[in-house]
Amino acid sequence: KAGVTQTPRYLIKTRGQQVTLSCSPISGHRSVSWYQQTPGQGLQFLFEYFSETQRNKGNFPGRFSGRQFSNSRSEMNVSTLELGDSALYLCASSPRGAGDVGELFFGEGSRLTVL
Amino acid sequence: AQSVAQPEDQVNVAEGNPLTVKCTYSVSGNPYLFWYVQYPNRGLQFLLKYITGDNLVKGSYGFEAEFNKSQTSFHLKKPSALVSDSALYFCAVSNSGNTPLVFGKGTRLSVIA
Repeated sequence: KAGVTQTPRYLIKTRGQQVTLSCSPISGHRSVSWYQQTPGQGLQFLFEYFSETQRNKGNFPGRFSGRQFSNSRSEMNVSTLELGDSALYLCASSPRGAGDVGELFFGEGSRLTVL
Repeated sequence: AQSVAQPEDQVNVAEGNPLTVKCTYSVSGNPYLFWYVQYPNRGLQFLLKYITGDNLVKGSYGFEAEFNKSQTSFHLKKPSALVSDSALYFCAVSNSGNTPLVFGKGTRLSVIA
């Protein structure tokens, strides 16, 4: 099985721009989660989608948004970029259904640099 | 709210020696505990998990972890460290299938030949 695929792997933006990151989960996985990883804060949960519905949301401003499509692929968008948004954005998929606890399978991440 | 503490930012160990990476957690209800490893410029890889049952959990690459409910700990261990074990290790906790995993800040393990 192919793993979780994230695109692009690296990108550079300037302050005020917006960015869209894409995630293709492992085939058959319906849950997709997004995390932001920075050296100072570690991994911070952004949101989780299950069957096109946002199931959980972390404590991030409204500039951060996401969505999931019917094929379980997910995108996240950050608008009006700030320098502090520079981070590795990790997507993870899981085979778990509603109420299940299971491990997350991570992609290699999209490294965003904001200048 | 759930939380995870990894009290050591860095752990150094000589190759061949046993290693321990510490993790304590705080959660309401039953904890579901995980360990992940991250190599440079890579995503996180799942090592092992505790959901229920035996307190000693065995995982990938010879790693194991012991769940201690009274001490709210879930330390990662390996009897004999390898240089290739050098990486960033994350402990994570959830208290149900409907809540997201909360990660610790990570512990950098350095195994010296």
